[in-house]
Amino acid sequence: AQSVTQLGSHVSVSEGALVLLRCNYSSSVPPYLFWYVQYPNQGLQLLLKYTSAATLVKGINGFEAEFKKSETSFHLTKPSAHMRDAAEYFCAVTFDNYGQNFVFGPGTRLSVLP
Amino acid sequence: ETGVTQTPRHLVMGMTNKKSLKCEQHLGHNAMYWYKQSAKKPLELMFVYNFKEQTENNSVPSRFSPECPNSSHLFLHLHTLQPEDSALYLCASSHLYSGSNEQFFGPGTRLTVL
Repeated sequence: AQSVTQLGSHVSVSEGALVLLRCNYSSSVPPYLFWYVQYPNQGLQLLLKYTSAATLVKGINGFEAEFKKSETSFHLTKPSAHMRDAAEYFCAVTFDNYGQNFVFGPGTRLSVLP
Repeated sequence: ETGVTQTPRHLVMGMTNKKSLKCEQHLGHNAMYWYKQSAKKPLELMFVYNFKEQTENNSVPSRFSPECPNSSHLFLHLHTLQPEDSALYLCASSHLYSGSNEQFFGPGTRLTVL
């Protein structure tokens, strides 16, 4: 069965510092990959997705992620953290063209310190 | 605004009560999903409906009963729940065969079972 791991359940960065959230998946076949963000008391919002067009994917709010097949990774980065980036971030995969059978990682809570 | 609405946003119920959660999507999608989000656990897919037909039930106890009267509406009927059923229940939707396979989430219903 496919699985998604996110190293670090909680990451703290200072405002203005680099954000790096890690995601690895287990599969020999490249999946479709997604990052979602969840702000307090809200549902999940799509940040970006990889669908094999380009390995470096740019998303909303200044985030980007790079797909590395050799490392089975899809880490999320942002050059400069802002207070409003404090949220829970979920990596997800699917091998399904139709948007079903998503497998979500356990999430990483990002705290941004002033 | 994600185009997926859920009501109520918060619900407190006793173990003998019967209540229903409602989800509506305004995106013209044809697939809808119920997820359960518990503290410190990955998102759990509960039910999948494609074109109003249930296609997946991930071993969910019968005290949870879904209903999908049309492609825009999804309900989750609850009865004789247990305290461990307290969680955030998220509804999502997607469009099959559109070439865009992400899921769009509602804000969730925070359920507390006393």
